[in-house]
Amino acid sequence: DTGVSQNPRHKITKRGQNVTFRCDPISEHNRLYWYRQTLGQGPEFLTYFQNEAQLEKSRLLSDRFSAERPKGSFSTLEIQRTEQGDSAMYLCASSAWDRGYYEQYFGPGTRLTVT
Amino acid sequence: DQQVKQNSPSLSVQEGRISILNCDYTNSMFDYFLWYKKYPAEGPTFLISISSIKDKNEDGRFTVFLNKSAKHLSLHIVPSQPGDSAVYFCAASDLGRSQGNLIFGKGTKLSVKP
Repeated sequence: DTGVSQNPRHKITKRGQNVTFRCDPISEHNRLYWYRQTLGQGPEFLTYFQNEAQLEKSRLLSDRFSAERPKGSFSTLEIQRTEQGDSAMYLCASSAWDRGYYEQYFGPGTRLTVT
Repeated sequence: DQQVKQNSPSLSVQEGRISILNCDYTNSMFDYFLWYKKYPAEGPTFLISISSIKDKNEDGRFTVFLNKSAKHLSLHIVPSQPGDSAVYFCAASDLGRSQGNLIFGKGTKLSVKP
């Protein structure tokens, strides 16, 4: 088991550009979560998937954000028309919810800087 | 409105002594609590969790205590080691809602001095 992986680890983009991040969860974890963390704050929930279904989005997830988890495996998070306020660490986590394991295991994160 | 609060931004402890990190919550529907450790430039690492039906859970040097009436939990690390120096986050979840998303505090930076 290699843990949760995220790519890229760092992304610098200009305001107005689109960016896409990828998350590969722990194999056989049916739940996948996306969080965002800014300086001095704890991670904040964005959205989650149970298998391939996206079941909840937080109010933090504006219309410029979209997430997918095709076939219930890896997930992508896309931000369109990036703004400076999108600069943050984007974290992915997974859990084996269907087997009664509620703790979430996090990846290393993708640090986004919007200039 | 912050539902999970860690009121101490930092804590300094001598190696070998006990570290006690505190966390308060306001939402009485929370029924599952977790502690994570985070090093710079890494994602949070799961340490230990506790269900609201328990008041204590222990795993090696780490023990979490839950006081439901006070809406308070604490993490005890005994003995503290320099490698424990990191930011510690308390998180809570309302499993009854089935979403399972975590609500985090702002973290406490622990420094363990040799």
